[in-house]
Amino acid sequence: AQSVAQPEDQVNVAEGNPLTVKCTYSVSGNPYLFWYVQYPNRGLQFLLKYITGDNLVKGSYGFEAEFNKSQTSFHLKKPSALVSDSALYFCAVRDAYSGAGSYQLTFGKGTKLSVIP
Amino acid sequence: NAGVTQTPKFRILKIGQSMTLQCTQDMNHNYMYWYRQDPGMGLKLIYYSVGAGITDKGEVPNGYNVSRSTTEDFPLRLELAAPSQTSVYFCASSLGQLHPEKLFFGSGTQLSVL
Repeated sequence: AQSVAQPEDQVNVAEGNPLTVKCTYSVSGNPYLFWYVQYPNRGLQFLLKYITGDNLVKGSYGFEAEFNKSQTSFHLKKPSALVSDSALYFCAVRDAYSGAGSYQLTFGKGTKLSVIP
Repeated sequence: NAGVTQTPKFRILKIGQSMTLQCTQDMNHNYMYWYRQDPGMGLKLIYYSVGAGITDKGEVPNGYNVSRSTTEDFPLRLELAAPSQTSVYFCASSLGQLHPEKLFFGSGTQLSVL
């Protein structure tokens, strides 16, 4: 079984400061990892993904995420937060060895990011 | 380019009523999905489809039905609404086997069953 945990329900950060949103995962094989963002009254939007290769993945809107296999983590980061980054962030995982026809991403419960002006 | 369009945006049902949540996409995506999002929870997959005429159950299919007669449309049917189905429902689509996980989401349907 695959699972993902986002240990923080809410993260508050001052505008201009670096931000981190935490995610840990569990899969039986190698992970495919994703971050999505949800703005109020909108559907989720893809931010970035890790499939293989470089542990530091860059995505949309200046976000990046660092894959750490030993700690089974995939934390989302941004060097300088903007007020417009305030949203709900979801981490998701899929086992790379899921069989054909298995398209089930497992989502975390989400972390609300508030960037304070 | 409209992307993924869901209707209605809001709906209140009485227990036992039926309704269909509509979803259409104009990106010619083969894969389509229905998720529900409960407060403080992650998204749960209800049903998915890998092409017209092909559907399969996700994690929480009970109480729902789907059909996929065209590439564009993937309606979700609730036959006998129950309070446990109060949730926000999202339809999503994706390109296919090369990019199965880059999902494009609709803006959601907020459903209350009273």
